[in-house]
Amino acid sequence: KAGVTQTPRYLIKTRGQQVTLSCSPISGHRSVSWYQQTPGQGLQFLFEYFSETQRNKGNFPGRFSGRQFSNSRSEMNVSTLELGDSALYLCASTPSGSYEQYFGPGTRLTVT
Amino acid sequence: AQTVTQSQPEMSVQEAETVTLSCTYDTSENNYYLFWYKQPPSRQMILVIRQEAYKQQNATENRFSVNFQKAAKSFSLKISDSQLGDTAMYFCAFMKHSGGSNYKLTFGKGTLLTVNP
Repeated sequence: KAGVTQTPRYLIKTRGQQVTLSCSPISGHRSVSWYQQTPGQGLQFLFEYFSETQRNKGNFPGRFSGRQFSNSRSEMNVSTLELGDSALYLCASTPSGSYEQYFGPGTRLTVT
Repeated sequence: AQTVTQSQPEMSVQEAETVTLSCTYDTSENNYYLFWYKQPPSRQMILVIRQEAYKQQNATENRFSVNFQKAAKSFSLKISDSQLGDTAMYFCAFMKHSGGSNYKLTFGKGTLLTVNP
Protein backbone atom coordinates (compact mmCIF):
# COMPACT_ATOMS: atom_id res chain seq x y z
CA LYS A 1 0.00 0.00 0.00
CA ALA A 2 1.14 3.50 -0.70
CA GLY A 3 1.90 5.59 2.37
CA VAL A 4 0.48 8.93 3.35
CA THR A 5 1.31 11.54 0.75
CA GLN A 6 1.45 15.28 1.21
CA THR A 7 1.68 17.98 -1.40
CA PRO A 8 3.49 20.19 -1.93
CA ARG A 9 6.60 19.15 -0.06
CA TYR A 10 7.99 22.67 0.11
CA LEU A 11 6.29 26.01 -0.10
CA ILE A 12 7.37 29.61 0.25
CA LYS A 13 4.73 32.26 0.85
CA THR A 14 4.64 35.91 1.75
CA ARG A 15 3.14 37.29 4.95
CA GLY A 16 -0.54 38.03 4.48
CA GLN A 17 -1.10 35.41 1.79
CA GLN A 18 -3.05 32.22 2.25
CA VAL A 19 -1.97 28.65 1.62
CA THR A 20 -3.60 25.27 1.11
CA LEU A 21 -1.87 22.00 1.92
CA SER A 22 -3.06 18.61 0.81
CA CYS A 23 -2.91 15.17 2.39
CA SER A 24 -3.88 11.83 0.90
CA PRO A 25 -4.21 9.11 3.54
CA ILE A 26 -3.36 5.47 3.17
CA SER A 27 -6.06 3.72 1.19
CA GLY A 28 -8.90 2.68 3.48
CA HIS A 29 -7.96 5.05 6.29
CA ARG A 30 -10.81 7.38 7.16
CA SER A 31 -9.23 9.48 9.89
CA VAL A 32 -6.78 12.23 9.04
CA SER A 33 -4.97 14.33 11.63
CA TRP A 34 -2.80 17.40 11.16
CA TYR A 35 0.13 18.57 13.27
CA GLN A 36 2.37 21.62 13.21
CA GLN A 37 6.05 21.14 14.05
CA THR A 38 8.27 24.09 14.97
CA PRO A 39 11.60 24.26 16.79
CA GLY A 40 10.10 26.38 19.55
CA GLN A 41 6.72 24.75 20.17
CA GLY A 42 7.49 21.23 19.04
CA LEU A 43 4.69 19.08 17.66
CA GLN A 44 1.23 20.47 18.18
CA PHE A 45 -2.12 18.99 17.19
CA LEU A 46 -4.13 21.09 14.76
CA PHE A 47 -7.26 19.06 14.00
CA GLU A 48 -8.61 15.66 13.10
CA TYR A 49 -11.19 14.68 10.50
CA PHE A 50 -13.21 11.51 10.16
CA SER A 51 -15.74 10.86 7.43
CA GLU A 52 -15.69 14.52 6.36
CA THR A 53 -16.37 15.77 9.91
CA GLN A 54 -13.97 17.61 12.17
CA ARG A 55 -13.92 15.65 15.42
CA ASN A 56 -11.16 17.40 17.32
CA LYS A 57 -9.47 20.75 17.14
CA GLY A 58 -6.29 21.99 18.78
CA ASN A 59 -5.61 25.39 20.23
CA PHE A 60 -4.94 27.34 17.05
CA PRO A 61 -6.52 30.56 15.79
CA GLY A 62 -9.35 30.53 13.31
CA ARG A 63 -6.93 31.30 10.49
CA PHE A 64 -6.21 27.59 10.49
CA SER A 65 -8.96 25.52 8.95
CA GLY A 66 -9.35 22.22 7.22
CA ARG A 67 -11.71 19.91 5.46
CA GLN A 68 -11.98 16.33 4.37
CA PHE A 69 -13.45 15.02 1.16
CA SER A 70 -15.53 11.92 0.55
CA ASN A 71 -12.44 10.00 -0.59
CA SER A 72 -10.80 10.84 2.80
CA ARG A 73 -8.28 13.23 1.26
CA SER A 74 -7.84 16.27 3.46
CA GLU A 75 -6.75 19.83 3.01
CA MET A 76 -5.72 22.42 5.51
CA ASN A 77 -5.80 26.13 4.86
CA VAL A 78 -4.00 28.94 6.59
CA SER A 79 -5.19 32.43 5.82
CA THR A 80 -3.40 35.73 6.43
CA LEU A 81 -0.06 34.05 6.92
CA GLU A 82 2.25 35.24 9.67
CA LEU A 83 5.98 34.69 10.03
CA GLY A 84 5.27 32.38 12.97
CA ASP A 85 3.35 30.01 10.71
CA SER A 86 6.63 28.84 9.22
CA ALA A 87 6.73 25.19 10.16
CA LEU A 88 6.67 21.60 9.05
CA TYR A 89 3.05 20.52 8.69
CA LEU A 90 2.52 16.82 9.19
CA CYS A 91 -0.50 14.80 8.25
CA ALA A 92 -1.28 11.36 9.68
CA SER A 93 -3.92 8.79 8.89
CA THR A 94 -5.43 6.09 11.10
CA PRO A 95 -7.28 2.95 10.03
CA SER A 96 -10.65 2.20 11.54
CA GLY A 97 -10.43 0.08 14.67
CA SER A 98 -6.85 1.13 15.32
CA TYR A 99 -5.17 3.93 17.20
CA GLU A 100 -1.86 3.98 15.36
CA GLN A 101 -1.16 7.05 13.29
CA TYR A 102 0.88 6.81 10.12
CA PHE A 103 2.58 10.02 9.13
CA GLY A 104 3.31 11.56 5.78
CA PRO A 105 6.61 13.25 4.90
CA GLY A 106 5.27 16.70 5.72
CA THR A 107 5.03 20.03 3.96
CA ARG A 108 7.71 22.56 4.83
CA LEU A 109 6.09 26.02 4.79
CA THR A 110 8.28 29.11 4.89
CA VAL A 111 6.64 32.50 5.35
CA THR A 112 8.74 35.53 4.40
CA ALA B 1 -4.90 18.19 29.81
CA GLN B 2 -2.07 15.77 29.31
CA THR B 3 1.61 16.65 29.28
CA VAL B 4 4.58 14.61 28.12
CA THR B 5 8.10 15.35 29.32
CA GLN B 6 11.33 14.15 27.81
CA SER B 7 14.12 15.33 30.08
CA GLN B 8 17.04 14.44 27.80
CA PRO B 9 17.29 16.87 24.86
CA GLU B 10 20.29 15.01 23.44
CA MET B 11 21.96 11.65 23.93
CA SER B 12 24.72 9.73 22.21
CA VAL B 13 25.68 6.09 22.18
CA GLN B 14 28.32 3.94 20.56
CA GLU B 15 27.30 1.56 17.85
CA ALA B 16 26.25 -1.87 19.23
CA GLU B 17 25.68 -0.50 22.73
CA THR B 18 22.40 -0.07 24.60
CA VAL B 19 20.73 3.25 25.34
CA THR B 20 17.62 4.23 27.29
CA LEU B 21 15.51 7.30 26.53
CA SER B 22 13.30 8.66 29.29
CA CYS B 23 9.72 9.87 29.15
CA THR B 24 7.27 10.87 31.86
CA TYR B 25 3.70 11.98 31.41
CA ASP B 26 0.95 13.49 33.43
CA THR B 27 -2.69 12.51 33.03
CA SER B 28 -5.81 11.87 35.03
CA GLU B 29 -6.97 9.28 32.51
CA ASN B 30 -6.87 5.58 33.31
CA ASN B 31 -7.08 4.24 29.77
CA TYR B 32 -4.62 5.53 27.22
CA TYR B 33 -1.92 4.63 24.77
CA LEU B 34 1.74 5.55 24.72
CA PHE B 35 4.02 5.66 21.72
CA TRP B 36 7.58 6.23 20.70
CA TYR B 37 8.06 7.80 17.29
CA LYS B 38 11.32 8.22 15.44
CA GLN B 39 12.02 11.15 13.12
CA PRO B 40 15.30 10.75 11.18
CA PRO B 41 16.87 13.64 9.25
CA SER B 42 14.58 12.80 6.31
CA ARG B 43 11.76 14.12 8.55
CA GLN B 44 9.41 11.16 8.03
CA MET B 45 7.85 10.30 11.40
CA ILE B 46 7.95 6.55 12.00
CA LEU B 47 6.16 4.60 14.73
CA VAL B 48 8.71 2.62 16.74
CA ILE B 49 6.65 1.01 19.47
CA ARG B 50 3.32 1.34 21.26
CA GLN B 51 1.93 0.40 24.65
CA GLU B 52 -1.63 0.10 25.86
CA ALA B 53 -1.96 1.33 29.44
CA TYR B 54 -4.18 -1.58 30.44
CA LYS B 55 -1.45 -4.07 29.53
CA GLN B 56 1.06 -4.77 32.27
CA GLN B 57 3.48 -6.50 29.93
CA ASN B 58 6.06 -4.20 28.41
CA ALA B 59 5.97 -3.94 24.64
CA THR B 60 8.89 -5.20 22.56
CA GLU B 61 9.68 -4.75 18.88
CA ASN B 62 12.94 -6.40 17.87
CA ARG B 63 15.75 -4.25 19.33
CA PHE B 64 13.28 -1.78 20.86
CA SER B 65 11.58 -2.31 24.19
CA VAL B 66 9.85 -0.15 26.74
CA ASN B 67 9.73 0.02 30.50
CA PHE B 68 6.20 1.09 31.33
CA GLN B 69 5.59 2.09 34.93
CA LYS B 70 1.95 3.17 35.14
CA ALA B 71 1.97 4.26 38.78
CA ALA B 72 5.05 6.36 38.23
CA LYS B 73 3.73 7.59 34.85
CA SER B 74 6.99 6.66 33.22
CA PHE B 75 7.54 5.23 29.75
CA SER B 76 11.19 4.74 28.78
CA LEU B 77 12.52 3.34 25.51
CA LYS B 78 15.47 0.96 25.43
CA ILE B 79 17.37 0.46 22.20
CA SER B 80 19.65 -2.56 22.17
CA ASP B 81 22.52 -3.16 19.76
CA SER B 82 22.34 0.44 18.52
CA GLN B 83 22.85 0.95 14.80
CA LEU B 84 23.90 4.02 12.83
CA GLY B 85 20.44 4.09 11.29
CA ASP B 86 18.95 4.66 14.75
CA THR B 87 20.30 8.22 14.68
CA ALA B 88 17.16 10.36 14.85
CA MET B 89 14.93 12.50 17.00
CA TYR B 90 12.77 10.34 19.22
CA PHE B 91 9.39 11.54 20.42
CA CYS B 92 7.32 10.11 23.22
CA ALA B 93 3.58 10.57 22.67
CA PHE B 94 0.30 10.08 24.57
CA MET B 95 -3.18 9.39 23.30
CA LYS B 96 -6.31 9.16 25.41
CA HIS B 97 -8.41 6.06 24.84
CA SER B 98 -11.77 7.15 23.55
CA GLY B 99 -13.33 4.21 21.77
CA GLY B 100 -12.07 5.40 18.43
CA SER B 101 -13.36 8.95 18.57
CA ASN B 102 -10.22 10.80 19.55
CA TYR B 103 -6.96 10.42 17.69
CA LYS B 104 -5.12 13.37 19.18
CA LEU B 105 -1.48 12.74 20.00
CA THR B 106 0.30 14.82 22.63
CA PHE B 107 4.04 14.82 22.05
CA GLY B 108 7.09 15.46 24.20
CA LYS B 109 9.78 17.83 22.99
CA GLY B 110 11.94 14.99 21.75
CA THR B 111 15.38 13.50 22.39
CA LEU B 112 18.02 13.73 19.69
CA LEU B 113 19.88 10.42 19.65
CA THR B 114 23.20 10.14 17.86
CA VAL B 115 24.76 6.73 17.30
CA ASN B 116 28.51 7.00 16.86
CA PRO B 117 30.57 4.48 14.87
